[in-house]
Amino acid sequence: DARVTQTPRDKVTEMGQEVTMRCQPILGHNTVFWYRQTMMQGLELLAYFRNRAPLDDSGMPKDRFSAEMPDATLATLKIQPSEPRDSAVYFCASGFRDPLQRQGAPSYNEQFFGPGTRLTVL
Amino acid sequence: EDQVTQSPEALRLQEGESSSLNCSYTVSGLRGLFWYRQDPGKGPEFLFTLYSAGEEKEKERLKATLTKKESFLHITAPKPEDSATYLCAVQATGFQKLVFGTGTRLLVSP
Repeated sequence: DARVTQTPRDKVTEMGQEVTMRCQPILGHNTVFWYRQTMMQGLELLAYFRNRAPLDDSGMPKDRFSAEMPDATLATLKIQPSEPRDSAVYFCASGFRDPLQRQGAPSYNEQFFGPGTRLTVL
Repeated sequence: EDQVTQSPEALRLQEGESSSLNCSYTVSGLRGLFWYRQDPGKGPEFLFTLYSAGEEKEKERLKATLTKKESFLHITAPKPEDSATYLCAVQATGFQKLVFGTGTRLLVSP
């Protein structure tokens, strides 16, 4: 069945190293979201894309984080350089926003989450 | 600023013991309120969307209700497999992002 996939599932790295996380959204979905989850802050939206174009990245530290969608089947989140405070679980989610807003069309807000990447920065 | 507060932080129930989880919110204009379930080590799983005060939705032992200030997730005769963290999120009119609460951890004992 269709699901969002993320790689890697776990990543342990040292401070200062570059980290790249990948996400494959559900085929046909046109909106992709990146979230970060920590015990203290809960789930926070970092950035999201519609039809591969970035719509909002205001939740993302711009100096070290970057998000891209090289194509419709791949979204990436990169941290360079990584810091211990970046340790968290990073989730990708996808959904479909009907551009015609047709009655009964599934709402893009029914976001489908991937299993997450657990990042530990030492 | 849009805010979501969930209570209690944690809830322990005996199997069959019904209860409710609360989600209080402040938002400039509510476009939708969402409930998700999250199991340990997994991503959140969508449960319900509510759009207007008075609306109710049901799924198996769960029923979500919405007022102008809060939402309740009622769990009727819960089973151990209902144990999870339940997350509430709001979306404001004119905005597209979801603002999540920190969740309620539910444990149902046999």
